[in-house]
Amino acid sequence: DAKTTQPPSMDCAEGRAANLPCNHSTISGNEYVYWYRQIHSQGPQYIIHGLKNNETNEMASLIITEDRKSSTLILPHATLRDTAVYYCIGHNNNDMRFGAGTRLTVKP
Amino acid sequence: GAVVSQHPSWVICKSGTSVKIECRSLDFQATTMFWYRQFPKQSLMLMATSNEGSKATYEQGVEKDKFLINHASLTLSTLTVTSAHPEDSSFYICSARAAEGSYEQYFGPGTRLTVT
Repeated sequence: DAKTTQPPSMDCAEGRAANLPCNHSTISGNEYVYWYRQIHSQGPQYIIHGLKNNETNEMASLIITEDRKSSTLILPHATLRDTAVYYCIGHNNNDMRFGAGTRLTVKP
Repeated sequence: GAVVSQHPSWVICKSGTSVKIECRSLDFQATTMFWYRQFPKQSLMLMATSNEGSKATYEQGVEKDKFLINHASLTLSTLTVTSAHPEDSSFYICSARAAEGSYEQYFGPGTRLTVT
């Protein structure tokens, strides 16, 4: 899996968009970018993944740069329940390894 | 779909005893399961990978004789912490992959182990 770098923490106001960056400059051509989040004392929850194109689902949007060296997870309207640690992972069918992630705190 | 369960969700045991944690894929068959450990305020650390019917592959630094993994069926893997010590107290999380060639991994809710 590619090494990923994320800011250790971010704050976001409730109702605003949360934009979480991730650098994965060593990602290989067959590695997908996966995003998971972990709410305190729970297992990781899948959010979204993509290879080259931008992706959107009911939870979030994923923007991947054209050179695939970085990506941004966007939560369009953050709520207090989105407070969690967000993990960005470069993954290609091997085991999935987690970095330190970004602790997102959504504030009222 | 793609639900993974763990049992128990939490367990307290005395030092020196063994404890077994179960990981089940409820609505799919898992050819590969993974076990992670997470200490407070830290990220998930991969402990081992198990394939159904074969021996588990352990990460460097993980004692295979202490953390026994059995993946006897396509829906069940177990992790047994033998002769547990207080330093084994942690959050243990499993995940399951549906099939070879699949990138998708589904995570269980975790098991909180406290060794007194």
